[in-house]
This record gives sequence, structure tokens and C-alpha cells, in this order.
Amino acid sequence: AQTVTQSQPEMSVQEAETVTLSCTYDTSENNYYLFWYKQPPSRQMILVIRQEAYKQQNATENRFSVNFQKAAKSFSLKISDSQLGDTAMYFCAFMNFDSNYQLIWGAGTKLIIKP
Amino acid sequence: GAVVSQHPSWVICKSGTSVKIECRSLDFQATTMFWYRQFPKQSLMLMATSNEGSKATYEQGVEKDKFLINHASLTLSTLTVTSAHPEDSSFYICSARGNTGYHGYTFGSGTRLTVV
Repeated sequence: AQTVTQSQPEMSVQEAETVTLSCTYDTSENNYYLFWYKQPPSRQMILVIRQEAYKQQNATENRFSVNFQKAAKSFSLKISDSQLGDTAMYFCAFMNFDSNYQLIWGAGTKLIIKP
Repeated sequence: GAVVSQHPSWVICKSGTSVKIECRSLDFQATTMFWYRQFPKQSLMLMATSNEGSKATYEQGVEKDKFLINHASLTLSTLTVTSAHPEDSSFYICSARGNTGYHGYTFGSGTRLTVV
């Protein structure tokens, strides 16, 4: 069974700093997707970034980028120039095509950006 | 972009009554709907998966007679919590997947259920 592990329950950094959130996963599949979702205090789930496993190039969305290491089964999220609005829970999620597209979720990392 | 409207955003009900939560996909066809439950400061726990026109598939430990899921159309799925009890109090979130090539998920804004 696939699992997703986020080993950092909580992190805090100063505004404008760079922060990296860790995520590892376990699967025997070769074709899958990985996601980072943000859940701010409003509790609305927001897609931050996604990565297709067949792509070697790391995904990037403005200040958000990932370091996807397929062999190591690692999928970390880097937030550059952090802003107060980045304060939220961040969840790493895994999806493969054989599971009716269900997402497997990590436990989440609470990120606090301090002014 | 794709939008899923979830209602109500919060509800308080008396123990023993039933509560219905609706999720509507406003601008796309939701072929698959996922229903989650989230406890405070925890991750999302998948309760069930439903494909339009089919019976929902419930995760182990989730009572299908207590959490009734209907997905009769491509734009509407409902979760009914029957004979609610205080332990059913939680945050419920729906997530829809469309029938386009992009493997994306659109989340509702969630429903906070309090059973008193």
C-alpha cells in the first residue's frame, strides 16, 4: 500500500526567508502524480503544485518549487521569499491511476510565517 | 477555473436528526466525488468515493448506513449523516474530479458539523 510521510509537524520562518517542507512516499508504481496542497485557516484546500512522475524536470509555480527525487521517493516543497499569507497547513499527496484516482495524504506540516 | 460549491458551510443539529451536505460542480462534470472527514489539526481522512450513477465505495470503518452518499448526476453529490450523534461532529470536505484529461481535483469549501 502506498504511504506518504511528512516528518515535520510544524515549522516557522521569518517573512522573506526560504523554507523547505519534506515529503517522502512509498510505492511500487512507476506512473503517478504528486501534489502539494495548502490549507489556510479558512480550511479551503488549495493546490500549490503538482508533479507527474514521468517528468524529470521539477515543477515550479512562481515562488513554489519542488525537488522531486524519484529514486529516493522524495518530494520536497520549497517556498522562496515567504509571505505572511503562506501561513497554512501544507499537505503532500500521492495519486496513482489504479486506485480510482484516490489521493493518499500525508499528515501535514503547519507552516507559520513570522513578520 | 473549476469550482465546487459546498453547502452548508456550517450546521448545528440535534442528536438523532439527519443532516444533508451538498456539493455541486458549477462549471464541469464531476465524474468522481471524494468525501473526506477532517479532525482538528489532522489530515484528510477519505470516507468514500462515488462515481456518477454508481453506488459509493466506502473506506473500511465507515458506516455506509450512517453516511449516505448519493451521486445521481454529474453536477451534484450529497452526503447525508443519518441519526447524527456528537461523535459525528467534524469538518467534512468534498472533492470532485472531472472527466477531462487533467488529473486535477477541485475541493469544496467544507462543512463544519456540530451535533448537540
